[in-house]
Amino acid sequence: AQSVTQPDIHITVSEGASLELRCNYSYGATPYLFWYVQSPGQGLQLLLKYFSGDTLVQGIKGFEAEFKRSQSSFNLRKPSVHWSDAAEYFCAVGGSSNTGKLIFGQGTTLQVKP
Amino acid sequence: NAGVTQTPKFRILKIGQSMTLQCTQDMNHNYMYWYRQDPGMGLKLIYYSVGAGITDKGEVPNGYNVSRSTTEDFPLRLELAAPSQTSVYFCASSSTSGKETQYFGPGTRLLVL
Repeated sequence: AQSVTQPDIHITVSEGASLELRCNYSYGATPYLFWYVQSPGQGLQLLLKYFSGDTLVQGIKGFEAEFKRSQSSFNLRKPSVHWSDAAEYFCAVGGSSNTGKLIFGQGTTLQVKP
Repeated sequence: NAGVTQTPKFRILKIGQSMTLQCTQDMNHNYMYWYRQDPGMGLKLIYYSVGAGITDKGEVPNGYNVSRSTTEDFPLRLELAAPSQTSVYFCASSSTSGKETQYFGPGTRLLVL
């Protein structure tokens, strides 16, 4: 079955510290992978996406993610977290079908300590 | 461009009532989606559309209906509201499928009592 797992429901980091949010997926075909961010009371905004090529992808707001096929993972990283990064982060997987359907993980809530 | 707009922002329904959640996009996107977001559950796809006149069920379609008469609009209809439909509903659109970014509206918070 196709699925996305974000093992960490809630993470707290200090401002300026590095961040890694984990994402594992199960998908039968070549996956397209996405990270979205949701600020409180807002819709989702795309941070970055991967569908082929270089396995390290850069996104907005200084985020990056690395696709590791052998581990079925697509972890999100940021070297230095800012207070404004506090939000909920969703990993999602889709495929090359003509529907564009995405499967989302449960989300990880990031809290940033001053 | 306004992007994806949703109305209303918040609504309280009584059990058994019906309502329509409105979604409009001004990006001329062919693909549109309705998701519901429950706490700790991520987003679940309710219905989607790949173009005007074409709709299909997602993961959790029971209790909902959709229509797509124009490219811009993709309303979601709740018939006979139930407490299990208390959720936050998001509409999204994309230009094509697969690799393309989905653009999300701000959401509609629905409470069924």
